[in-house]
Amino acid sequence: AQSVTQPDARVTVSEGASLQLRCKYSYSATPYLFWYVQYPRQGLQLLLKYYSGDPVVQGVNSFEAEFSKSNSSFHLQKASVHWSDSAVYFCALSMTNNAPRFGAGTKLSVKP
Amino acid sequence: GGIITQTPKFLIGQEGQKLTLKCQQNFNHDTMYWYRQDSGKGLRLIYYSITENDLQKGDLSEGYDASREKKSSFSLTVTSAQKNEMAVFLCASSRGSSAETLYFGSGTRLTVL
Repeated sequence: AQSVTQPDARVTVSEGASLQLRCKYSYSATPYLFWYVQYPRQGLQLLLKYYSGDPVVQGVNSFEAEFSKSNSSFHLQKASVHWSDSAVYFCALSMTNNAPRFGAGTKLSVKP
Repeated sequence: GGIITQTPKFLIGQEGQKLTLKCQQNFNHDTMYWYRQDSGKGLRLIYYSITENDLQKGDLSEGYDASREKKSSFSLTVTSAQKNEMAVFLCASSRGSSAETLYFGSGTRLTVL
C-alpha cells in the first residue's frame, strides 16, 4: 500500500529565509507526486506535480520540489519566503488507476 | 475554468442522525472524490467515483455511503453521526487519470452534538 509522510507538523521561518518542507513516500514503483497548498479560509490548490523526467519541478510562486527515488522523497523548497506563504502544505501521492493519498500536512508560519 | 460547490457549508447534526453532503462541479470532470480533513491527520479518502454510477471505496469508507447519479454531482451520506464528531469534508474532481490535478471545493464543516 502507498503512503505519504510529512514529518514536520509545524514549521516556522523568518520572512526572506529559505524553506524546505519534507515529504517521504512509500511505494514500490515511481508514483505521481503532488504538493498542494491550503491558504487560510481557502480550498486546496495545486503548487506543482511530478510524473517523470527532470527530478526538479517548478511550481507556482517560485516553489520547486525535488524527487529522489533513492530517498523516496519529494521535498518542497523555496529560496526566499514571504509572509503570504503562511499556509498548510500537503504532499500527495497517486498510483495508476487509483485516487491520490495525502500526508498529514505541514503548517508553515512566516514571521515578519 | 470551473467551480466546485459544496452544500451546506456548515452542518450540525445529532448523534445517530443520517446526514447528507452534496457536491456539484461544472468542470465536466470524470472523477470525483470525497476526503475528510481532521486537524493533524491530513486528508483521508472516503470514496471516489471515476464515472457516473461508479463508486470506489477509499481508506475511510466505513460509516459512509456515496452516490454518483450524474456526472456533475457526488453526494456523501454519514450513515450515523458520532457524538462530538467534528471534521471538514472536502469534495474534489479531476479529469480522470491518476496524474491529473485535483480541484477542491471549500468544504462542509460537520459538527455533531
